[in-house]
Amino acid sequence: AAGVIQSPRHLIKEKRETATLKCYPIPRHDTVYWYQQGPGQDPQFLISFYEKMQSDKGSIPDRFSAQQFSDYHSELNMSSLELGDSALYFCASSPLGGIGGSWDEQFFGPGTRLTVL
Amino acid sequence: GDSVTQMEGPVTLSEEAFLTINCTYTATGYPSLFWYVQYPGEGLQLLLKATKADDKGSNKGFEATYRKETTSFHLEKGSVQVSDSAVYFCARDYGGSQGNLIFGKGTKLSVKP
Repeated sequence: AAGVIQSPRHLIKEKRETATLKCYPIPRHDTVYWYQQGPGQDPQFLISFYEKMQSDKGSIPDRFSAQQFSDYHSELNMSSLELGDSALYFCASSPLGGIGGSWDEQFFGPGTRLTVL
Repeated sequence: GDSVTQMEGPVTLSEEAFLTINCTYTATGYPSLFWYVQYPGEGLQLLLKATKADDKGSNKGFEATYRKETTSFHLEKGSVQVSDSAVYFCARDYGGSQGNLIFGKGTKLSVKP
């Protein structure tokens, strides 16, 4: 079965550089979530999109932006990178709906490991 | 605010031992509850879920019951294997129209042969 694809899998950047992470959801999934997991930490929600519109926003820094495109893939753009941005960035996708209007389960990609030097 | 609290690790068990990892959640809204597992160097995999009170999620010998009265979703397995060694995350969503997840801090489980 198709899974969530993230690219690149590993990325090394210098401080103050920019980075773009890409996420390709499972076919027919219209909702994408981005999470950041620092070393030894729990994943923290950054931002989500439904049908190409931002649906919710979490602890995403102003230096970061994201969007979902017409083919439902999503990109997380990170500028003025800081050492503290070093983390594993997960993308997850889900199909809208579910019993009682609740959201269906999220399927996580393998993550992009970003290292800022 | 909304949160998930799970027992701190690491937890070290011998093979075939009984496992319990406690998880409690804040009782706002009508969340769905989840257990995710993360093997070393890998992403998060959904282990099991429950969408309403008294539901029991189960998978691969793991079980958890959605207890509204105690706001808990404890993970249990009767006989752990070395291959169960991983980090386990309890999570809730917001219910309703917000699907993003709130995770607990994670519990690292090590199973020794």
